[in-house]
Order: sequence, then structure tokens, then C-alpha cells
Amino acid sequence: QVQLVQSGAEVKKPGASVKVSCKASGYTFTSYGISWVRQAPGQGLEWMGWISAYNGNTNYAQKLQGRVTMTTDTSTSTAYMELRSLRSDDTAVYYCARPHCSSTSCSFFDPWGQGTLVTVSS
Amino acid sequence: EIVLTQSPDFQSVTPKEKVTITCRASQSIGSSLHWYQQKPDQSPKLLIKYASQSISGVPSRFSGSGSGTDFTLTINSLEAEDAAAYYCHQSSSLPFTFGGGTKVEIK
Repeated sequence: QVQLVQSGAEVKKPGASVKVSCKASGYTFTSYGISWVRQAPGQGLEWMGWISAYNGNTNYAQKLQGRVTMTTDTSTSTAYMELRSLRSDDTAVYYCARPHCSSTSCSFFDPWGQGTLVTVSS
Repeated sequence: EIVLTQSPDFQSVTPKEKVTITCRASQSIGSSLHWYQQKPDQSPKLLIKYASQSISGVPSRFSGSGSGTDFTLTINSLEAEDAAAYYCHQSSSLPFTFGGGTKVEIK
């Protein structure tokens, strides 16, 4: 079955970087992209950006531009999200999700990874 | 950026009651609106795609309607397992955005 499995929880100090992985299985990785969504404790969902696993094209949320980088490794069907210059308000559960896309646009997310808790604390 | 406003924020409901959650977009998004269910300590799960299209494996008591700027998620005959947060999501234009969520509690 289609599955996204993420790396484990991380604890980082302010100013550090974190890199979260998302390993896909059960489908042709390069036929889809990967989106990243985060959820601060007790809060709602925030879209962070998207990467095409086909050609590596990316689109990031404006508020994260310059701090986030999304990449893929097609040899292992794994997507990565790196966030730099971490602040306390980056503490959140980070999800990867598979968007369903046509040649021109993307739509709903299904499935989602299990989430990775990133805690930023001094 | 398209803002999605969900209401209510919270709803306490008796089993077998009907639940209605609304999602209003700040501009027209056609039918590019999707609904997710998130149970405590779980990942979001797709419930409805493109405003009203059902998803395989999702109970038929869940349904969606609307287009343009006003959308509704309906849960007919609520069951205890439906206790969760529900989120709408628009894919009409980047950046993709989510509604603030509606928490449904079982009385």
C-alpha cells in the first residue's frame, strides 16, 4: 500500500538546523511530488511547500523562503525537508504528504506521513 | 493568499446527531476544496476531495457540498469514533492554505 514513513523526533537549539526525511513506498516516487505541512502544538495546519519528485521543482511558502530547502533522492524514494535558523516558534509536528497533481496543478493530499516532532529549545 | 474561515471552532455533539461544519473562502476557489479528519495524536486523513467527491473507505455518513466561496462538511448520525478535528484545505492557488479547524467532541 502507499505509505510515507518519516524520521524520528528531533530536539534542536535555537539557531540550529534540522533535516526531516520522508521515505515513500507502494507507488512510483517520480510520478508524484511531496508537500510538507507543519502543526504547532495545539494549532492548525500550515503548508510549508512542495517539491516535484520528477524534476526537483520547488515552491515554498513565502514566510519560510530563505530558511527552508526541500530535496528528493530518487534512488531511495526519499524526500527531505531542511529548516535552518530554528526559532522556538518552529516547534511543531512536521508532516510530509503526497499531493495529487495534474500536468498543471496539484490538489488534495493523500496519504500523509506519521509526523515528526521537532522541538526547538535552549 | 486565500484565507479559509471555518465555523464553528468547537462543537459538542450527542451520538446520532447531525454535524455541519462550514468553510468560507476569501475569494472564489471553484471546487478546489478538500476536507481532512485528524484524530488525537494521528496524521490528517483525507475525507472529501473537490468539495463533494467521496473517498474510498470513508464512511458514507460523511458528505461535502458547496462551490465558489462557501462549503459544508456534514456528518450524518455522528458516531463516537468521529471525535476529531476537521480541516478544510484549498488547492485553487498557491500558497495552499487550511482552515483553522473545527474540533468535534462527543457528549
